[in-house]
Amino acid sequence: SQKIEQNSEALNIQEGKTATLTCNYTNYSPAYLQWYRQDPGRGPVFLLLIRENEKEKRKERLKVTFDTTLKQSLFHITASQPADSATYLCALDMVQAGTALIFGKGTTLSVSS
Amino acid sequence: DGGITQSPKYLFRKEGQNVTLSCEQNLNHDAMYWYRQDPGQGLRLIYYSQIVNDFQKGDIAEGYSVSREKKESFPLTVTSAQKNPTAFYLCASSSGGDTQYFGPGTRLTVL
Repeated sequence: SQKIEQNSEALNIQEGKTATLTCNYTNYSPAYLQWYRQDPGRGPVFLLLIRENEKEKRKERLKVTFDTTLKQSLFHITASQPADSATYLCALDMVQAGTALIFGKGTTLSVSS
Repeated sequence: DGGITQSPKYLFRKEGQNVTLSCEQNLNHDAMYWYRQDPGQGLRLIYYSQIVNDFQKGDIAEGYSVSREKKESFPLTVTSAQKNPTAFYLCASSSGGDTQYFGPGTRLTVL
């Protein structure tokens, strides 16, 4: 069965540093991978989607990479701010397997000033 | 305002009762989803529907039921057969099966 892992449950960094979150998966080759942000008590919000033929994607201070050989995606937030503190979820496309997205458990990022 | 709404925000249920959670979207999306989120568990898929009058079970469908009579609506019923229903329930919609747009969630507590 498909397995998706996010490297750690929690990540603490100082303001201004770059946060790097990892998402690893096994047993599947997704057509794309997505990252979402979730604040406490709220629904996740879509951030970025990267397709299997894309190595890197950027949006403002966010950067996502996708290595289909390593079966890994890295999510970077540069010049991090306390407002970036949230839980970040990666999600794999499973449409070709006849189902929907599957989500990792998330990494909770805390940025201290 | 386009979006996806869930009601109520908080719901309390006595053991043995069925309860229905509402999910409505005006994004004209074909696909809709229900997830359950428990602390430390991430999002787990309960049911999803890719078109009106059709739906499929997700990973944890036991004790839940859904209907999809209208494109805009995808209500979830938590039945008395669900052994541990206390959780945060999230509804989402998408067009084309990629990016999902989530509602604000319903927190269900069994008393």
